[in-house]
Amino acid sequence: EIVMTQSPATLSVSPGERATLSCRASQSVRSNLAWYQQKPGQAPRLLIYGASIRATGIPASFSGSGSGTDFTLTISILQSEDSAVYYCQQYNNWPRITFGQGTRLEIK
Amino acid sequence: QVQLVESGGGVVQPGRSLRLSCAASGFTFRSYAMHWVRQAPGKGLEWVAVLASDGRDNYHADSVKGRFTISRDNSKNTLYLQMNSLRTEDTAVYYCVRDGKPAAAGYYFDYWGQGTLVTVSS
Repeated sequence: EIVMTQSPATLSVSPGERATLSCRASQSVRSNLAWYQQKPGQAPRLLIYGASIRATGIPASFSGSGSGTDFTLTISILQSEDSAVYYCQQYNNWPRITFGQGTRLEIK
Repeated sequence: QVQLVESGGGVVQPGRSLRLSCAASGFTFRSYAMHWVRQAPGKGLEWVAVLASDGRDNYHADSVKGRFTISRDNSKNTLYLQMNSLRTEDTAVYYCVRDGKPAAAGYYFDYWGQGTLVTVSS
């Protein structure tokens, strides 16, 4: 099983600043990585797939990068509504899909 | 717009069975692989099962293999999850999820239902 490790566990950033979330895979997943945003009481929402491709309707303030084992989700110009838990997910080793444990993003 | 509406959750005793349903609308259901993903209370996400668009190929997570069965009825635009021999560790919100790629499964998830809570407790 490919283990996905996200860091930090919690990130606190001020509005208008940039947030950088990391995700590391225990072995290469090439570019087969997705990011999701989950707000309290809601289902997750797809943000990024293919490591860097924004999903439909996702603003340009969200960007993904990386390949192989190290990936980054960047949220530029943070807004209060960006407060959520963010998950990465690898799908290179399908059907043994695995998620990271999540990063909680708090807006100060 | 794409809608996925789960039903069938509830409280069930360990060892008993439950069947979840997911009614899909707003897209060509028969063209997409479909998945179930679950989330235990306060925990992260766990993929449960996938079924190909034509219903032929399916895979289940090791944690549910032999106990859960995913199925679909393309004439009714409905996805199912039959859950047998339920355990307390199966307690979770179960999400019906559309695969992000039409036809062949891509294994990332572009639309999610609101989820249905399954509680396994004596």
